Amino acid sequence: EVQLVESGGGLVKPGGSLRLSCAASGFAFSNAWMTWVRQAPGKGLEWVGRIKTKTDGATTDYAAPVKGRFTISRDDSKNTLYLQMDGLKTEDTAVYYCALRGYSNGPWFDPWGQGTLVAVSS
Amino acid sequence: DTQMTQSPSSLSASVGDRVTITCRASQSISRYLNWYQQKPGKAPNLLISGASSLKSGVPSRFSGSGSGTDFTLTISSLQPEDFATYYCQQSNSLPITFGQGTRLE
Repeated sequence: EVQLVESGGGLVKPGGSLRLSCAASGFAFSNAWMTWVRQAPGKGLEWVGRIKTKTDGATTDYAAPVKGRFTISRDDSKNTLYLQMDGLKTEDTAVYYCALRGYSNGPWFDPWGQGTLVAVSS
Repeated sequence: DTQMTQSPSSLSASVGDRVTITCRASQSISRYLNWYQQKPGKAPNLLISGASSLKSGVPSRFSGSGSGTDFTLTISSLQPEDFATYYCQQSNSLPITFGQGTRLE
């Protein structure tokens, strides 16, 4: 069974840093493009960024609001995806989901992890 | 960026109703359109990819259609477990963008 489990969320002050992890199992993680999506309380879904496979250069892409502050990385030896968040702002408060990017009839995200809550507040 | 606009934002319906949710893209996205269902406190679940391909295991009462800029998600006969929020998402170009959601209540 494909499973994604996020961890690392918590309360952090504005300007602070946090690193989220996403432990993957049940599929060939090293062959998978992975993505992060967030959801502010009571709001919709917002794509954060993605990382390709090492074969594809481990290239990363980010949404404009987080570019330059967030970094996505992967450790294929540990089947783990990371989201390093620096310079956090109150508007970064959200549940953060990792998701597997699949492809047939176009790219899609499935499955998603259960999410981890990041709260940025003084 | 490609803006995705869903309508309506909320919809009141009853068990057995036929429900249609629309999603409009600000530019053509071919058929790179996915639909997700999200229940309170849970992660989203993929329902439909490529505008009309039903994910394995998703009930056949769900269907999707459209191409270019206009898409629809239809639930043919609403069941109690279908009351949730539905999101469309374009995967044609970066940044990936989602509609604002349609809450079915």
